[in-house]
Amino acid sequence: AQKVTQAQTEISVVEKEDVTLDCVYETRDTTYYLFWYKQPPSGELVFLIRRNSFDEQNEISGRYSWNFQKSTSSFNFTITASQVVDSAVYFCALSEGEAAGNKLTFGGGTRVLVKP
Amino acid sequence: DTEVTQTPKHLVMGMTNKKSLKCEQHMGHRAMYWYKQKAKKPPELMFVYSYEKLSINESVPSRFSPECPNSSLLNLHLHALQPEDSALYLCASSQVGWPYGYTFGSGTRLTVV
Repeated sequence: AQKVTQAQTEISVVEKEDVTLDCVYETRDTTYYLFWYKQPPSGELVFLIRRNSFDEQNEISGRYSWNFQKSTSSFNFTITASQVVDSAVYFCALSEGEAAGNKLTFGGGTRVLVKP
Repeated sequence: DTEVTQTPKHLVMGMTNKKSLKCEQHMGHRAMYWYKQKAKKPPELMFVYSYEKLSINESVPSRFSPECPNSSLLNLHLHALQPEDSALYLCASSQVGWPYGYTFGSGTRLTVV
């Protein structure tokens, strides 16, 4: 079974529109961490946020915000007032337990295209 | 220095060639990782090194041979690859333990012809 599901493969918006990326995860661990990464065309994965399973507070960082709902196993990501520079592939990832060796399991990614 | 540097950025090799990918970091991280990313797919873990020792091998074929000669350097030796091995190879580093976030390099885009 897929552990991290990003149902949207591609989203296209016009600049200044808001865009929300969905992430649903599956784990049996009570302690785990969730991440979002951005991958621009250059290829490097850029860390955006890390959230542990005990912290359900929503977080805002500039135009980015994250909504973590443990009850629905979701960790959604919203870009407000999108800009062309936000065009990239965004990955949600799960890290489960020390025994897993700090391994990241990625979702399939959502490609965001922001048109001017 | 907060970077992970990968060389070369692009590599084209024949199926009979031997080549190596190099990854370097100077952040004092003692865990280093190789991930493979096929086109339009997420990265998949290949190897983990912890304190310069191989700790995880995700059942990777032996034509991929990792090496960690010191705490700053990680190599991936390639031999007798197949065209389906063409992918973006990403290196990452982190502190040892869990759950430390990774710093990724920008990858080596490998094409096997």
